Parts: sequence; C-alpha cells; structure tokens
Amino acid sequence: QSVLTQPPSASHTPGQRVTISCSGSNSNIGRNYVFWYQQLPGTAPKVLIYKNNQRPPGVPDRLSGSKSGTSASLAISGLRSEDEGDYYCAAWDDSLSGLVFGGGTKLTVL
Amino acid sequence: QVTLRESGPALVRPTETLTLTCTFSGFSLSTSAMCVSWIRQPPGKALEWLALIDWDDKKYYTTSLRTRLIISKDTSTNQVVLTMTNMDPVDTATYYCGRVLNRGTIEGVDYWGQGARVTVSS
Repeated sequence: QSVLTQPPSASHTPGQRVTISCSGSNSNIGRNYVFWYQQLPGTAPKVLIYKNNQRPPGVPDRLSGSKSGTSASLAISGLRSEDEGDYYCAAWDDSLSGLVFGGGTKLTVL
Repeated sequence: QVTLRESGPALVRPTETLTLTCTFSGFSLSTSAMCVSWIRQPPGKALEWLALIDWDDKKYYTTSLRTRLIISKDTSTNQVVLTMTNMDPVDTATYYCGRVLNRGTIEGVDYWGQGARVTVSS
C-alpha cells in the first residue's frame, strides 16, 4: 500500500493527451516538491519532472507537471509509442520523515 | 556531471547481511544540501525508499526496516554504504542509490544509479 496513490494503468492512442494523477496528503504533496519518473523495462527511473513542474534538459515540453493542494498530475500530450512505460510520483513526507512513492502507473500506447 | 554506481553481491543467503556501496562523482557529500538515498524495487513491483544520509551526517530510515538498516558515508572516497541485516527472500530486489537535494526542504531523487540486482536465496 503506497502512501501516494496513482492509477495502476492507463492506455491511450498515439497523439492523444494523457494525465496521470498522484494523490497524497498535507504531510507530503501538500508541503513538499513532487517529482515524476519514467521507468522503462530493465532500466533505472528517469527524472521527467522535478520541483512540481520543472523539466530537466532533454525532456520535451509536451510533458508537464502540476500540483494543487495534496494532489499532483503529469500530463503528456502528443502521445508517442516511446512514452510507454511505468510512471512514478514521489515526494518527501514530513510526518514519516521519509521519501514516499506512488504505486506506479503503467502507460500503454495502443 | 553527476553519476552514481551501486556495487555489491548479486546473491545473498537468507539471514546474512547485505552490504551495498554507492560510489558517486560530480558532487561532494561534505557540501551543504547534498544527500544520498537508497531505494529498492522488487521484481514487478513499485519503488520503495529505504534510507537517506545528508551532508551533516543526519540519517533517515523507512519505518518498516529501521531495525535492519544502517547507512553511512565516507566523504574522502565519495561513497555511501548501506547494510541490511537478516536478509530474507522477500528482500530480493534491484537496489538503487540516488542523489537528493535539501535546499530547505528535502526533495526527490534527481540523479539515479543504474541499480544493483540482489537475489536472496539459499
């Protein structure tokens, strides 16, 4: 049971826009930065979004992050086959004094 | 450029102690705001945070494994070591280390190592 809640799966067709949600609480998302990661099979997670809505160099602007209250979202527009993978959100939790992750969302591009 | 690399045994017997080393470059753990964290991922499952150590040697552990984990750092060799005692087959996972920044608030992992796969089996 993950502290941050994500939908387990999402499937969309190429070109569509998809939004992946991440729900938390006041002690994590409500007070701290949200990070988003993409993980492809057999590889380490890759940072897509840091500090709620910042993109590292090399991450295309069709990916965006947002946060409101105790929830956060990752949006991907112009979906491509290479966007398939597992997506995780994360944030520090002040009550647990630890980093908490979502359970992951498996994105399938049909 | 920031890089991290995990090293350690690929196979551990049940009840043994696992020792993993994270060797990093591109930053120093004696510099304010720098932290290193360990995260694991059992096969087919989600990421699970384990421990974090900061530049001031402050340590944080996940509650469920607190009694089995020790994290330490050696700033002269740019290494962070994680030991986990009393290993069990359920601890089979890929173990990652990563850099974390604390600029007033602890953030997420911004650089990841490639991971070290550890199997616990007799």
